[in-house]
Amino acid sequence: DAGVIQSPRHEVTEMGQEVTLRCKPISGHDYLFWYRQTMMRGLELLIYFNNNVPIDDSGMPEDRFSAKMPNASFSTLKIQPSEPRDSAVYFCASSFFASSYEQYFGPGTRLTVT
Amino acid sequence: QKEVEQDPGPLSVPEGAIVSLNCTYSNSAFQYFMWYRQYSRKGPELLMYTYSSGNKEDGRFTAQVDKSSKYISLFIRDSQPSDSATYLCAMRPNDYKLSFGAGTTVTVRA
Repeated sequence: DAGVIQSPRHEVTEMGQEVTLRCKPISGHDYLFWYRQTMMRGLELLIYFNNNVPIDDSGMPEDRFSAKMPNASFSTLKIQPSEPRDSAVYFCASSFFASSYEQYFGPGTRLTVT
Repeated sequence: QKEVEQDPGPLSVPEGAIVSLNCTYSNSAFQYFMWYRQYSRKGPELLMYTYSSGNKEDGRFTAQVDKSSKYISLFIRDSQPSDSATYLCAMRPNDYKLSFGAGTTVTVRA
């Protein structure tokens, strides 16, 4: 299995621009998680889905952030408009209900907003 | 106060030494306790998992959970340079929301 796939790996954008991060979970996994990692705040859960349905989005920082999962093999995290404080590494992770304690993380997208 | 507290280090030890890492937490509802390892510029990967209190050993790694003290530990015996990484503790209640510690950066000197 290729593991969790994220794209792009690096993104540099200017303040005010729309940013879309993409994730392909491991085939057969029914949970998908979006995290953000910064030096100041560490690794934070933003939102998670079960069977493509958003279950808990309480970690989404504000309305500028939105996430979708149109099917079992694809999810997006969108920031519109982006701000410099959104600069971070964004991870996608997936897991399978039967082994729910293990979340498999993707390689991350390093976002820089100038 | 953060829900999960972890000393970020950094921690530097000579090859072959025992590495001792720990976290404290405040949420009594946490039932599942994990340690993740994260190499530079990579995503975290699960290293150890423990349910409720107790010890678990896997090769050179030992995880301990003391729920009465709200304290978890990870020990790495005979440390190797390849163990150099950031180690994050993580925990959750019966739902799927993981809470992570800040991570401790460990360097094992050859």
